[in-house]
Amino acid sequence: KAGVTQTPRYLIKTRGQQVTLSCSPISGHRSVSWYQQTPGQGLQFLFEYFSETQRNKGNFPGRFSGRQFSNSRSEMNVSTLELGDSALYLCASSLAGVHQETQYFGPGTRLLVL
Amino acid sequence: AQRVTQPEKLLSVFKGAPVELKCNYSYSGSPELFWYVQYSRQRLQLLLRHISRESIKGFTADLNKGETSFHLKKPFAQEEDSAMYYCALSPGGSRLTFGEGTQLTVNP
Repeated sequence: KAGVTQTPRYLIKTRGQQVTLSCSPISGHRSVSWYQQTPGQGLQFLFEYFSETQRNKGNFPGRFSGRQFSNSRSEMNVSTLELGDSALYLCASSLAGVHQETQYFGPGTRLLVL
Repeated sequence: AQRVTQPEKLLSVFKGAPVELKCNYSYSGSPELFWYVQYSRQRLQLLLRHISRESIKGFTADLNKGETSFHLKKPFAQEEDSAMYYCALSPGGSRLTFGEGTQLTVNP
């Protein structure tokens, strides 16, 4: 079974621009979570989507948003990019995002903001 | 708020030696605890979870609620164990709070 895929794998943007990242979960998985990974802050939870609804949200500004489609694919958007948004963005999928379920991570999208 | 602390950023041992990666957490409820591993050029993947009480690749971890710890142990380290290890906590559901990670190097 194919794993979690993320596109694009690499992105370079400039300050003030916006960016959209995509995540395709494992077939049958309905929960998709997003994480930001930076050297300074480590892995931080952004948000989780389940059945096209945001179910959980981390402590990130409103510039970070996401959505999920009926086929469970998810996108996250960052508007008005800042230098500090440079990071590896990981998504993870699971069947329903419930107690003790295994989450499967994608390879990540590396975003560089200049 | 929950917090996970991994006090060692780097840990180096020789092949065949025991290894222990430390993890301490703070959470007011009953947490779900996990260890994730990332091998070089591979994805982050689940190694084990406390509720399963299983041994994966020779690794075990015991939840100590009194000391709020979930240390990862292996009696005899192998070179292929070299990787980045993350301890993670969940209050329930899919939201994970990760520690900063420990880079384990097993020397021949």
